[in-house]
Amino acid sequence: DTGVSQDPRHKITKRGQNVTFRCDPISEHNRLYWYRQTLGQGPEFLTYFQNEAQLEKSRLLSDRFSAERPKGSFSTLEIQRTEQGDSAMYLCASSSTAGGTEAFFGQGTRLTVV
Amino acid sequence: ILNVEQSPQSLHVQEGDSTNFTCSFPSSNFYALHWYRWETAKSPEALFVMTLNGDEKKKGRISATLNTKEGYSYLYIKGSQPEDSATYLCAFPHANDYKLSFGAGTTVTVRA
Repeated sequence: DTGVSQDPRHKITKRGQNVTFRCDPISEHNRLYWYRQTLGQGPEFLTYFQNEAQLEKSRLLSDRFSAERPKGSFSTLEIQRTEQGDSAMYLCASSSTAGGTEAFFGQGTRLTVV
Repeated sequence: ILNVEQSPQSLHVQEGDSTNFTCSFPSSNFYALHWYRWETAKSPEALFVMTLNGDEKKKGRISATLNTKEGYSYLYIKGSQPEDSATYLCAFPHANDYKLSFGAGTTVTVRA
């Protein structure tokens, strides 16, 4: 399968712990996005990479969140000192600048902070 | 972030019935509109990317129309089947970086 993959699929963590999620985009895609979806809402934009450069970070994203995309391949999203409000589905999507606006999504990581 | 709205929030449909629901979006600076189907435990799957006013697209029993001047799109499901049960999301890409502004979705439940 050459789609977008995310790991882990589910994560339960205690408040105050750090968590890290991984996204492997479609290999030829140079754009990578992270979104967060909470109950009853649509996915909201968190951050965006073009190759290895992080070009935009949402104002909704606190300093506890950091994302990287070393070498323009996979990406990681880290949340430090998790809070209950961080509980959500974290989605990763990738696209190609040559492919127009269509984005391809992973299955997401469901985070529960207890 | 652009304001994208979907209605209704949820729908219960009898198997075999047809249904439709709406996505409204800012009509100024239109670039494209996406429809995604998101089934439980799966990835959101792109159904349609619509770019032109008056566009009508079809995929099996699902079709969509687009009115960019008034800022709305309809998605239609003809002869609903249980496998159509999912959340349908519409999304508006921003022109420069293609990040998506999503509506809250319409959750469709098809009863056998």
